[in-house]
Amino acid sequence: QVQLVQSGSELKKPGASVKVSCKASGYPFTNYAINWVRQAPGQGLEWMGWISTNTGNPTYAQGFTGRLVFSVDTSVSTAYLEISSLKAEDTAVYFCARDIGMGPTSAFQHWGQGTLVTVSS
Amino acid sequence: IVLTQSPGTLSLSPGERATLSCRASQSVSSSFLAWYQQKAGQAPRLLIYGTSSRATGIPDRFSGSGSGTDFTLTISRLEPEDFAVYYCQQYGNSVTFGGGTKVEIK
Repeated sequence: QVQLVQSGSELKKPGASVKVSCKASGYPFTNYAINWVRQAPGQGLEWMGWISTNTGNPTYAQGFTGRLVFSVDTSVSTAYLEISSLKAEDTAVYFCARDIGMGPTSAFQHWGQGTLVTVSS
Repeated sequence: IVLTQSPGTLSLSPGERATLSCRASQSVSSSFLAWYQQKAGQAPRLLIYGTSSRATGIPDRFSGSGSGTDFTLTISRLEPEDFAVYYCQQYGNSVTFGGGTKVEIK
């Protein structure tokens, strides 16, 4: 069965960087893109963008450029989200998600369990 | 595309019918509209895609309808496990999510 397993919670100081991983299993990794979604505490869902696991080409959503880097390592079927120069407002749960098979940014059938990133001095 | 969900909170009893609305600021291409359920501390769960197609394993008490700028998620008879937050998502023009509707027990 399809599984996306994310790395554990992180506590970081302002100005630091964080790298969240999303390990995929149960399907051919390079056949589907990985999307990233943010959820601030008590708030709704925000789409951050996606990365082609085949080419490694990232696409960032408006408002999510500059401090974000999406990457993949196909040898271990894992996608990564790195955020630099962390601010308190980056505190959120970050989800990776895989589409239903109708295009890289179609409906998201499969989700990781989420990674809580807390930014605090 | 901005998605506006209403109401913000829906207070209903088990067994009642729930009707959730999602309105788009412009027409959603090819009915690329999905609905998700999210419970506290969990990842979202895909319920409906393509406006009206149920995802794998989703009970038939969940149904979606609509076109253009107005979409609806209907839960025909609320079960105890249906009390949660529901989000709509459009994926016809980039990707955006609505702000969510909380369905709570009355």
